[in-house]
Amino acid sequence: KAGVTQTPRYLIKTRGQQVTLSCSPISGHRSVSWYQQTPGQGLQFLFEYFSETQRNKGNFPGRFSGRQFSNSRSEMNVSTLELGDSALYLCASSLAVTGGGYTFGSGTRLTVV
Amino acid sequence: QQQVKQSPQSLIVQKGGISIINCAYENTAFDYFPWYQQFPGKGPALLIAIRPDVSEKKEGRFTISFNKSAKQFSLHIMDSQPGDSATYFCAATPTNSGGSNYKLTFGKGTLLTVNP
Repeated sequence: KAGVTQTPRYLIKTRGQQVTLSCSPISGHRSVSWYQQTPGQGLQFLFEYFSETQRNKGNFPGRFSGRQFSNSRSEMNVSTLELGDSALYLCASSLAVTGGGYTFGSGTRLTVV
Repeated sequence: QQQVKQSPQSLIVQKGGISIINCAYENTAFDYFPWYQQFPGKGPALLIAIRPDVSEKKEGRFTISFNKSAKQFSLHIMDSQPGDSATYFCAATPTNSGGSNYKLTFGKGTLLTVNP
């Protein structure tokens, strides 16, 4: 059974650009959530989607957005990149409707220069 | 507001020893408590999880102890091995349909080093 797949694995972008990250959940998982991991702040919740609906959003500026498609695949977008957006972006999927049982992908390492 | 506090930040243990990592939470709505293991360059991998209706759960060398009244839970790694060297995160979330917020709140992590 394939795990959570995130693409690309690595990205280098210039300040001011925008970026789109992709996540394919485990087959059958309809909940997809995104987290930002940095050495200083640890793992911070960005947003969660279930059946194409955003059910919760973390405390991030509006430059961070996401969406989920009918096949449960999800994308997140960061516009007007800042140096502080450099981080490991992790996607997690879950089978549970109300939460729990989250399986993470290997992440996308974003570096903003 | 840090709702899950994890300690210690780092831990060095000899091979064969017991590693103990502690977490405390504030939100009484939390009812699912997983532990994740993360190796460099990888995403967090679910190790073991517990719900508050039991005080202990064991899977192989890994045990979670849970104290609902103290709002604390801990991970014990028995017979620690060099391959266990990784960063460990505790987390918590509410999962009941009335209070679920669909997100994990993580501790800051513990870097475990097991010396051979």
